[in-house]
Amino acid sequence: DIQLTQSPSFLSVSVGDRVTITCRASQGISSYLAWFQQKPGKAPKLLIYTASTLQSGVPSRFSGSGSGTEFTLTINSLQPEDFATYYCQQLDSYPLTFGGGTKVEF
Amino acid sequence: EVQLVESGGGLVQPGGSLRLSCAASGFIFSDHFMDWVRQAPGTGLEWVGRSRNKASSYTTQYAASVKGRFTISRDNSRNSLYLQMNSLKIEDTAMYYCARVSPDDNGDYVAFDYWGQGVLVTVSS
Repeated sequence: DIQLTQSPSFLSVSVGDRVTITCRASQGISSYLAWFQQKPGKAPKLLIYTASTLQSGVPSRFSGSGSGTEFTLTINSLQPEDFATYYCQQLDSYPLTFGGGTKVEF
Repeated sequence: EVQLVESGGGLVQPGGSLRLSCAASGFIFSDHFMDWVRQAPGTGLEWVGRSRNKASSYTTQYAASVKGRFTISRDNSRNSLYLQMNSLKIEDTAMYYCARVSPDDNGDYVAFDYWGQGVLVTVSS
């Protein structure tokens, strides 16, 4: 199985900060990586797919980059509604797997 | 408007069975892959399995942790996805989500773009 390691696990930030979350895959997954945002008690929300494609309706302050084994989610100018947990997911091979999550908190 | 609504969760004893449903609306159900994802309390996300679309003959795929115990099926006349869970274990306790999977421009099904609200399954004696 492909393991995804997210770092950091927790991130203490402030409104207006630039946030960077890293996701490393245990083997190459081309660009088959997605990013999700999850708030407490809610379903995950798709932000980015194929590493860098912004899902329709997602604010442009979210961006993704990377390929192979290293990927990054960047949030420019963090807004109050961005405090949440973020997960990466690989869709290169079965079983599909998720990273352990990064909690972005005040 | 795309909607996914799960139902069928509840409390079940270890070794028991439960059937979850996911009612879909607002899109052509047979055109999409549909997946189940679960989340144990206070933990991360775990992919459970997949039902591919009509073009892929509705074939299925499962995580090793549920293979042989869980079965995914769909009723396209009812726009519904199902997860039959047998031989349930305590470690199957989780919120279960169904998700629609859409293709990118290359036709690869890589975007979990809509999710249901989730349904809670608790396995306990």
